[in-house]
Amino acid sequence: SSELTQDPVVSVDLGQTIRLTCQGDSLTKSFVSWYQQKPGQAPLLVIFAKSSRPSGIPDRFSGSSYGNTASLTITGAQAEDEADYYCHSRDNSGNLVFGTGTRVTV
Amino acid sequence: QVQLRESGPGLVKPSETLSLNCTVSGVSMSSYYWSWIRQSPGEGLEWIGYVYYSGSTNYNPSLKSRVSISIDTSKNRFSLKLAAVTAADTATYYCARVMGQLWAFDYWGQGTRVTVSS
Repeated sequence: SSELTQDPVVSVDLGQTIRLTCQGDSLTKSFVSWYQQKPGQAPLLVIFAKSSRPSGIPDRFSGSSYGNTASLTITGAQAEDEADYYCHSRDNSGNLVFGTGTRVTV
Repeated sequence: QVQLRESGPGLVKPSETLSLNCTVSGVSMSSYYWSWIRQSPGEGLEWIGYVYYSGSTNYNPSLKSRVSISIDTSKNRFSLKLAAVTAADTATYYCARVMGQLWAFDYWGQGTRVTVSS
């Protein structure tokens, strides 16, 4: 089955920029989405269709992709951005798959 | 507004079948895919499967032999059954709406914790 690999832990200083990556050979990049999950809460969609933001998501969150790697960038990280982040996509077989997750500490 | 709410037993015995419902409000179930996702304690997210409003389904290959997802649009509800559970199926189970053909999960339930134990 497909796998999406993320760095386990990434640290960032308050106000700095951080880029999270998601690598997968069968990544269907047009379907890449990113989720933020805080302790005890359901995941929250922050990026869909590679680079689109749902209503209400701050514009400091942005998405992109190149080759077999998708990225989520947080420009000017805030304390409230400390959370787990998961990428997600649909593979070539039509199955949905989540990345391994990255814990962001601010 | 769109709301999803999971319901079902919080404790299931090993080898039995886990059954959960997800009740949807604030939107018609038509023209959407509806999905189940789980998260074992301290672990990442795992997609279980989805059902289209028409009733067609697709399941995670690793769970396919044990999973069944159904939908009842007249009751605004879809359901999960997972057979022959073991302790490894202990997790928080989430239901979510799939954002059309973009294959993103835009609305989630709050999750329900299911423990498999005798």
